[in-house]
Amino acid sequence: AQSVAQPEDQVNVAEGNPLTVKCTYSVSGNPYLFWYVQYPNRGLQFLLKYITGDNLVKGSYGFEAEFNKSQTSFHLKKPSALVSDSALYFCAVRGPSGGSYIPTFGRGTSLIVHP
Amino acid sequence: NAGVMQNPRHLVRRRGQEARLRCSPMKGHSHVYWYRQLPEEGLKFMVYLQKENIIDESGMPKERFSAEFPKEGPSILRIQQVVRGDSAAYFCASSPEGMNTEAFFGQGTRLTVV
Repeated sequence: AQSVAQPEDQVNVAEGNPLTVKCTYSVSGNPYLFWYVQYPNRGLQFLLKYITGDNLVKGSYGFEAEFNKSQTSFHLKKPSALVSDSALYFCAVRGPSGGSYIPTFGRGTSLIVHP
Repeated sequence: NAGVMQNPRHLVRRRGQEARLRCSPMKGHSHVYWYRQLPEEGLKFMVYLQKENIIDESGMPKERFSAEFPKEGPSILRIQQVVRGDSAAYFCASSPEGMNTEAFFGQGTRLTVV
Protein backbone atom coordinates (compact mmCIF):
# COMPACT_ATOMS: atom_id res chain seq x y z
CA ALA A 1 0.00 0.00 0.00
CA GLN A 2 1.19 3.49 -0.73
CA SER A 3 1.51 6.15 1.92
CA VAL A 4 2.73 9.68 2.54
CA ALA A 5 4.19 11.11 5.72
CA GLN A 6 4.39 14.77 6.59
CA PRO A 7 6.33 14.70 9.84
CA GLU A 8 5.58 18.28 10.90
CA ASP A 9 2.10 19.36 11.85
CA GLN A 10 3.21 22.98 11.75
CA VAL A 11 6.09 24.97 10.33
CA ASN A 12 6.82 28.51 11.46
CA VAL A 13 9.02 30.82 9.46
CA ALA A 14 9.69 34.55 9.33
CA GLU A 15 8.74 36.47 6.22
CA GLY A 16 11.66 36.68 3.81
CA ASN A 17 13.30 33.53 5.13
CA PRO A 18 13.49 30.28 3.18
CA LEU A 19 10.92 27.64 3.98
CA THR A 20 10.86 23.86 3.75
CA VAL A 21 7.87 21.59 4.23
CA LYS A 22 8.86 17.95 4.47
CA CYS A 23 7.32 14.92 2.81
CA THR A 24 8.36 11.30 2.57
CA TYR A 25 6.55 8.60 0.67
CA SER A 26 6.25 4.87 0.34
CA VAL A 27 5.10 3.27 -2.90
CA SER A 28 5.91 0.29 -5.04
CA GLY A 29 7.16 1.21 -8.46
CA ASN A 30 7.81 4.68 -9.75
CA PRO A 31 6.01 7.40 -7.81
CA TYR A 32 4.12 10.36 -9.13
CA LEU A 33 4.36 13.08 -6.48
CA PHE A 34 2.29 16.21 -5.96
CA TRP A 35 2.00 19.22 -3.68
CA TYR A 36 -1.25 21.04 -3.00
CA VAL A 37 -2.15 24.10 -0.91
CA GLN A 38 -5.40 24.68 0.94
CA TYR A 39 -6.58 28.05 2.20
CA PRO A 40 -9.27 28.24 4.90
CA ASN A 41 -12.67 26.99 3.78
CA ARG A 42 -11.40 26.26 0.29
CA GLY A 43 -10.57 23.24 -1.79
CA LEU A 44 -7.05 22.08 -2.54
CA GLN A 45 -5.10 23.89 -5.23
CA PHE A 46 -2.41 22.12 -7.23
CA LEU A 47 1.10 23.57 -6.83
CA LEU A 48 3.49 21.24 -8.62
CA LYS A 49 4.24 17.65 -9.51
CA TYR A 50 7.12 15.28 -10.15
CA ILE A 51 6.69 12.69 -12.87
CA THR A 52 10.16 12.02 -14.22
CA GLY A 53 13.30 13.88 -15.24
CA ASP A 54 14.92 16.67 -13.24
CA ASN A 55 14.78 16.14 -9.50
CA LEU A 56 14.04 19.82 -8.89
CA VAL A 57 10.54 20.74 -9.92
CA LYS A 58 9.29 24.32 -10.13
CA GLY A 59 5.66 25.22 -9.57
CA SER A 60 3.22 28.01 -8.85
CA TYR A 61 3.84 31.05 -6.62
CA GLY A 62 7.61 30.54 -6.51
CA PHE A 63 7.44 27.11 -4.90
CA GLU A 64 9.70 24.26 -5.86
CA ALA A 65 10.23 20.72 -4.67
CA GLU A 66 13.14 18.35 -4.70
CA PHE A 67 12.68 14.67 -5.42
CA ASN A 68 15.18 12.39 -3.69
CA LYS A 69 14.73 8.77 -4.64
CA SER A 70 17.26 7.34 -2.18
CA GLN A 71 15.59 9.11 0.74
CA THR A 72 12.08 8.68 -0.70
CA SER A 73 11.44 12.35 -0.06
CA PHE A 74 9.78 15.20 -1.90
CA HIS A 75 10.27 18.33 0.20
CA LEU A 76 8.55 21.58 -0.73
CA LYS A 77 10.70 24.70 -0.70
CA LYS A 78 10.57 28.41 -1.31
CA PRO A 79 13.58 30.75 -1.15
CA SER A 80 11.70 33.66 0.46
CA ALA A 81 8.45 33.17 2.35
CA LEU A 82 5.52 35.57 2.20
CA VAL A 83 2.84 36.08 4.84
CA SER A 84 0.32 35.15 2.16
CA ASP A 85 1.94 31.70 1.91
CA SER A 86 0.39 30.85 5.27
CA ALA A 87 -1.90 27.90 4.57
CA LEU A 88 -2.22 24.13 4.85
CA TYR A 89 0.05 22.15 2.55
CA PHE A 90 -0.55 18.59 1.41
CA CYS A 91 1.84 16.16 -0.22
CA ALA A 92 0.33 13.38 -2.34
CA VAL A 93 1.53 10.30 -4.18
CA ARG A 94 0.06 8.24 -6.98
CA GLY A 95 1.37 4.76 -7.41
CA PRO A 96 0.07 1.40 -8.59
CA SER A 97 -1.79 0.56 -5.40
CA GLY A 98 -4.07 -2.24 -6.43
CA GLY A 99 -3.71 -1.00 -9.97
CA SER A 100 -5.87 2.06 -9.51
CA TYR A 101 -3.37 4.91 -8.95
CA ILE A 102 -5.55 6.64 -6.39
CA PRO A 103 -4.00 9.86 -5.07
CA THR A 104 -3.00 9.34 -1.43
CA PHE A 105 -2.48 12.39 0.75
CA GLY A 106 -0.45 13.15 3.84
CA ARG A 107 -2.03 14.64 6.96
CA GLY A 108 -1.06 18.14 5.94
CA THR A 109 1.37 20.70 7.34
CA SER A 110 0.23 24.09 8.52
CA LEU A 111 2.66 26.76 7.37
CA ILE A 112 2.66 29.98 9.35
CA VAL A 113 4.71 32.86 8.03
CA HIS A 114 5.25 35.63 10.57
CA PRO A 115 5.60 39.26 9.47
CA ASN B 1 -13.38 25.81 -18.49
CA ALA B 2 -15.25 25.64 -15.22
CA GLY B 3 -13.53 23.88 -12.37
CA VAL B 4 -14.89 21.04 -10.28
CA MET B 5 -18.27 22.10 -8.98
CA GLN B 6 -19.63 20.83 -5.72
CA ASN B 7 -22.97 21.59 -4.19
CA PRO B 8 -24.21 22.44 -1.77
CA ARG B 9 -21.30 24.25 -0.11
CA HIS B 10 -22.92 23.84 3.29
CA LEU B 11 -25.43 21.21 4.33
CA VAL B 12 -27.11 20.82 7.70
CA ARG B 13 -28.94 17.61 8.48
CA ARG B 14 -30.59 16.23 11.58
CA ARG B 15 -29.54 12.84 12.85
CA GLY B 16 -31.26 10.12 10.86
CA GLN B 17 -31.78 12.17 7.72
CA GLU B 18 -30.13 11.59 4.37
CA ALA B 19 -27.37 13.75 2.90
CA ARG B 20 -26.74 14.00 -0.84
CA LEU B 21 -23.55 15.64 -2.03
CA ARG B 22 -23.08 16.45 -5.70
CA CYS B 23 -19.95 16.81 -7.77
CA SER B 24 -19.62 17.84 -11.41
CA PRO B 25 -16.09 17.09 -12.64
CA MET B 26 -14.13 19.33 -14.95
CA LYS B 27 -15.03 19.02 -18.60
CA GLY B 28 -13.17 16.14 -20.17
CA HIS B 29 -12.39 14.45 -16.85
CA SER B 30 -13.60 10.88 -16.54
CA HIS B 31 -12.21 10.07 -13.08
CA VAL B 32 -13.81 11.21 -9.85
CA TYR B 33 -12.52 10.79 -6.30
CA TRP B 34 -14.27 11.57 -3.02
CA TYR B 35 -12.37 12.46 0.13
CA ARG B 36 -13.38 13.34 3.68
CA GLN B 37 -11.48 15.89 5.70
CA LEU B 38 -11.60 16.17 9.45
CA PRO B 39 -9.49 18.59 11.52
CA GLU B 40 -6.10 17.10 12.41
CA GLU B 41 -6.74 14.07 10.19
CA GLY B 42 -5.94 15.22 6.71
CA LEU B 43 -7.71 13.91 3.64
CA LYS B 44 -9.10 10.40 3.79
CA PHE B 45 -9.84 8.64 0.52
CA MET B 46 -13.36 7.30 0.26
CA VAL B 47 -14.19 6.19 -3.26
CA TYR B 48 -12.93 6.32 -6.85
CA LEU B 49 -15.35 6.25 -9.75
CA GLN B 50 -15.37 6.39 -13.49
CA LYS B 51 -18.51 6.85 -15.55
CA GLU B 52 -21.05 4.23 -14.45
CA ASN B 53 -18.40 2.28 -12.53
CA ILE B 54 -17.08 2.17 -8.99
CA ILE B 55 -13.39 1.42 -9.33
CA ASP B 56 -12.34 1.43 -5.68
CA GLU B 57 -14.52 1.98 -2.63
CA SER B 58 -12.08 0.69 -0.06
CA GLY B 59 -12.18 3.90 1.96
CA MET B 60 -15.92 4.14 2.25
CA PRO B 61 -17.82 2.75 5.26
CA LYS B 62 -19.75 -0.37 4.32
CA GLU B 63 -23.00 0.87 5.78
CA ARG B 64 -24.99 4.04 5.07
CA PHE B 65 -22.55 5.39 2.46
CA SER B 66 -22.89 4.98 -1.29
CA ALA B 67 -21.60 6.72 -4.39
CA GLU B 68 -22.43 6.83 -8.05
CA PHE B 69 -21.25 8.52 -11.21
CA PRO B 70 -23.97 8.05 -13.82
CA LYS B 71 -23.55 8.33 -17.54
CA GLU B 72 -25.31 11.67 -17.43
CA GLY B 73 -25.16 14.11 -14.56
CA PRO B 74 -22.97 14.67 -11.54
CA SER B 75 -21.39 12.20 -9.21
CA ILE B 76 -23.40 11.74 -6.01
CA LEU B 77 -22.15 10.80 -2.56
CA ARG B 78 -25.07 9.66 -0.46
CA ILE B 79 -25.08 9.25 3.29
CA GLN B 80 -28.14 7.64 4.78
CA GLN B 81 -29.26 8.00 8.39
CA VAL B 82 -26.56 10.52 9.20
CA VAL B 83 -24.95 10.60 12.63
CA ARG B 84 -22.95 13.35 14.31
CA GLY B 85 -19.71 11.59 13.42
CA ASP B 86 -20.46 12.18 9.74
CA SER B 87 -19.93 15.91 10.21
CA ALA B 88 -16.93 16.82 8.08
CA ALA B 89 -15.85 18.50 4.89
CA TYR B 90 -16.30 16.28 1.84
CA PHE B 91 -14.20 17.02 -1.20
CA CYS B 92 -14.54 15.79 -4.72
CA ALA B 93 -11.65 15.75 -7.16
CA SER B 94 -11.49 14.89 -10.82
CA SER B 95 -8.71 14.05 -13.23
CA PRO B 96 -8.34 13.13 -16.87
CA GLU B 97 -7.10 9.77 -18.05
CA GLY B 98 -3.49 9.08 -17.11
CA MET B 99 -1.74 8.00 -13.95
CA ASN B 100 0.58 11.00 -13.86
CA THR B 101 -2.10 13.65 -14.01
CA GLU B 102 -2.97 15.90 -11.12
CA ALA B 103 -6.40 15.87 -9.58
CA PHE B 104 -8.43 19.07 -9.44
CA PHE B 105 -10.52 19.73 -6.36
CA GLY B 106 -13.88 21.29 -5.78
CA GLN B 107 -14.55 23.74 -2.95
CA GLY B 108 -16.04 21.02 -0.80
CA THR B 109 -19.32 20.43 0.99
CA ARG B 110 -19.33 21.05 4.71
CA LEU B 111 -21.80 18.69 6.31
CA THR B 112 -23.03 19.43 9.79
CA VAL B 113 -25.21 16.91 11.57
CA VAL B 114 -27.26 18.34 14.41
